[in-house]
Amino acid sequence: EDKVVQSPLSLVVHEGDTVTLNCSYEVTNFRSLLWYKQEKKAPTFLFMLTSSGIEKKSGRLSSILDKKELFSILNITATQTGDSAVYLCAVVTPGGYQKVTFGIGTKLQVIP
Amino acid sequence: DAGITQSPRHKVTETGTPVTLRCHQTENHRYMYWYRQDPGHGLRLIHYSYGVKDTDKGEVSDGYSVSRSKTEDFLLTLESATSSQTSVYFCAISTGKNTVVNEQFFGPGTRLTVL
Repeated sequence: EDKVVQSPLSLVVHEGDTVTLNCSYEVTNFRSLLWYKQEKKAPTFLFMLTSSGIEKKSGRLSSILDKKELFSILNITATQTGDSAVYLCAVVTPGGYQKVTFGIGTKLQVIP
Repeated sequence: DAGITQSPRHKVTETGTPVTLRCHQTENHRYMYWYRQDPGHGLRLIHYSYGVKDTDKGEVSDGYSVSRSKTEDFLLTLESATSSQTSVYFCAISTGKNTVVNEQFFGPGTRLTVL
């Protein structure tokens, strides 16, 4: 059974801190890894990673994938209160419908 | 938002009644998905569609059926709603071509309460 595990489950930091969110996976086959941000609504897409060692970056957010060790990290630098959300990791595996398996998320709270 | 809408956005119903949720997209994407999201479980796939009249089951399909008679609409039906189906339901589309999934984009969600 495919599995995606995120850690920590929750995190409280102060504005300006840097945080690292972790996502490890065990899947039969791997195509890509996706990161989403979810506030009190639908998840919004952040990154798609397919190759090891290549950092994806968007503003203060960045992410990298290690396909050998089967994990990814999402970094957020200089955190702001608007970064407070649940961050979801998902792995896409090839198959009849390109199955997407989600982790349960990391809840990040940024306090002033 | 990839042009995805869901209706209704909120619904309260009673056990044993049929319920249909609608997902509508405006950008002609081939792949559409229905997920449910519950505390402690994350997002779990109910059913998916890879084209008109082409659908298949996900990991939590029991008690649910789907139909896709047009590219733009994907319907999720609870034949006889149960309290365990109280959840937030998200529709998603994939931007992949052919069978390759790229990123998924989600609709705004439907909060369903079954009393």
